[in-house]
Amino acid sequence: AQSVTQLDSQVPVFEEAPVELRCNYSSSVSVYLFWYVQYPNQGLQLLLKYLSGSTLVESINGFEAEFNKSQTSFHLRKPSVHISDTAEYFCAVSGLRKNYKLSFGAGTTVTVRA
Amino acid sequence: DVKVTQSSRYLVKRTGEKVFLECVQDMDHENMFWYRQDPGLGLRLIYFSYDVKMKEKGDIPEGYSVSREKKERFSLILESASTNQTSMYLCASSPQALYGYTFGSGTRLTVV
Repeated sequence: AQSVTQLDSQVPVFEEAPVELRCNYSSSVSVYLFWYVQYPNQGLQLLLKYLSGSTLVESINGFEAEFNKSQTSFHLRKPSVHISDTAEYFCAVSGLRKNYKLSFGAGTTVTVRA
Repeated sequence: DVKVTQSSRYLVKRTGEKVFLECVQDMDHENMFWYRQDPGLGLRLIYFSYDVKMKEKGDIPEGYSVSREKKERFSLILESASTNQTSMYLCASSPQALYGYTFGSGTRLTVV
């Protein structure tokens, strides 16, 4: 089984400042890793994912995450945030087999202030 | 784009009522899931299904059941609603692990 720990429940940040959201996972097998974003009053949307290959993955709106196998981490970063990045962010992990399920962290609420 | 539709956005039910939450996906995905989302607890898996008429318990199945009679539809049933089942319920579907999930918009259920 897999599990996820998101180390920060709330992250306040000023507009145009950088932000890092920390995620650690636990698994005895190889995994896929995901970050989802939930804007207020909406469902979850896939932000980015790591499947294999390059350990640095990027999203279309400037976020990036780095897979670190030795530290079992998948931290999410953005060098300069906007007000519109205010949302809740969830890290998730799954095994590779066909019949699978995602395990989610508790979420990190990012509040961007002007 | 894949669409996952949950029948109700907001729902208010009385304690003891039988409640049905419906979820429909339009992309022929084999896998469907029901989660509940509570502040500080993230998403917790209630039930999931890998195929028609198949279901498996997730982490918190007590007080819930599910039905999957057709591939596109996955229903969550609260047999006798209780106040501690007040929550946001999220349905998701997926073809396989490497694609992640597509989520519906959620149903916010209040049991009074």
